[in-house]
Amino acid sequence: EAQVTQNPRYLITVTGKKLTVTCSQNMNHEYMSWYRQDPGLGLRQIYYSMNVEVTDKGDVPEGYKVSRKEKRNFPLILESPSPNQTSLYFCASSQSWGQPQHFGDGTRLSIL
Amino acid sequence: SQKIEQNSEALNIQEGKTATLTCNYTNYSPAYLQWYRQDPGRGPVFLLLIRENEKEKRKERLKVTFDTTLKQSLFHITASQPADSATYLCAPTKDGQNFVFGPGTRLSVLP
Repeated sequence: EAQVTQNPRYLITVTGKKLTVTCSQNMNHEYMSWYRQDPGLGLRQIYYSMNVEVTDKGDVPEGYKVSRKEKRNFPLILESPSPNQTSLYFCASSQSWGQPQHFGDGTRLSIL
Repeated sequence: SQKIEQNSEALNIQEGKTATLTCNYTNYSPAYLQWYRQDPGRGPVFLLLIRENEKEKRKERLKVTFDTTLKQSLFHITASQPADSATYLCAPTKDGQNFVFGPGTRLSVLP
């Protein structure tokens, strides 16, 4: 089954404790992306990757890092999480840029 | 900077009627426009993509129009059903730029 898998689905942690949210897709897609969704602000792009070793900033990249060492994986790293990064995060992938995206089920992060 | 507006935050209609959702954009010229459906707590699901040289696209009960002069897309759901209740997001897309979604319209189809 074609899917985008995010882990963990839920996480409560404390300010400053580094965390990684993993994202994996099994569709051999070139394009992958991370979004955060907040009430009243909608879905905003954090980082995206056109292909392996190619990443670029979205609209809200501050406080986040990404890497794309393999085609299937695109982890999101919060080096020093802060409460304003409490949000619902989605990973997505598509065949190439601009094509329909497949989204994961989301990761709900709470930073205390 | 580019701006995307979707007609209303919430739209209520009676079952069986046609729902019409609006997506307006300013300050850029997208090559195509995508529509997604999102249920509470779930990731968006792709519905339709329409290109700038296409006036209309259909898929079952769904129809999308794209007017590059008005900078507007209309999304229609005919013979609406309670199961169509969800938030609908538009995403006008331009090559080489990061992906931007509209704020969404929450549709409620009342039985």
